[in-house]
Amino acid sequence: KQEVTQIPAALSVPEGENLVLNCSFTDSAIYNLQWFRQDPGKGLTSLLLIQSSQREQTSGRLNASLDKSSGRSTLYIAASQPGDSATYLCAPDRGSTLGRLYFGRGTQLTVWP
Amino acid sequence: GAVVSQHPSRVICKSGTSVKIECRSLDFQATTMFWYRQFPKQSLMLMATSNEGSKATYEQGVEKDKFLINHASLTLSTLTVTSAHPEDSSFYICSAHRGAWEQFFGPGTRLTVL
Repeated sequence: KQEVTQIPAALSVPEGENLVLNCSFTDSAIYNLQWFRQDPGKGLTSLLLIQSSQREQTSGRLNASLDKSSGRSTLYIAASQPGDSATYLCAPDRGSTLGRLYFGRGTQLTVWP
Repeated sequence: GAVVSQHPSRVICKSGTSVKIECRSLDFQATTMFWYRQFPKQSLMLMATSNEGSKATYEQGVEKDKFLINHASLTLSTLTVTSAHPEDSSFYICSAHRGAWEQFFGPGTRLTVL
């Protein structure tokens, strides 16, 4: 079973900082990896999806990298804003069990004005 | 983007009763849906894979007689928590799979069992 670890568990920063959120996973036989955002008491919003053949993916101020062989992914958030405050989750998707996502505990981000 | 709804968004029930939660894909057909549960300050844990027209596949440790899943159509899956107890209180989230890899999550259902 895939084990996912996210570091740090929590992060509190002033707005404007560039942030790095780390994700590691034990089974590198993945089809893709997704980063999600979860606001308190809400469902998940997909932020980025990186296919296993890709090394990175960008969307606006977000950039995610993937090192499949070492079982690591990193989410970079540029020029953070208070609206970025949420819990960020990564979820690798194994090809043999497509769609069954195993999540880490996430990184709880607070960006204060 | 695709929309997945859940109903109800919040439910409070007495111990011993059964609760049904619906998950609908509003603007696409989903042959596969997934059910997750999330305890406070914990991450989502996959409970089961719901396949349209066939039996659900449960993750290890999830009681299939406790959590009944029915995927009656390509847009609807239901999760019934039978004989609910306080330890079943949790946040239940569904997701619907589209195409090769897209997955869209519902807003979740907060279940509180008294």
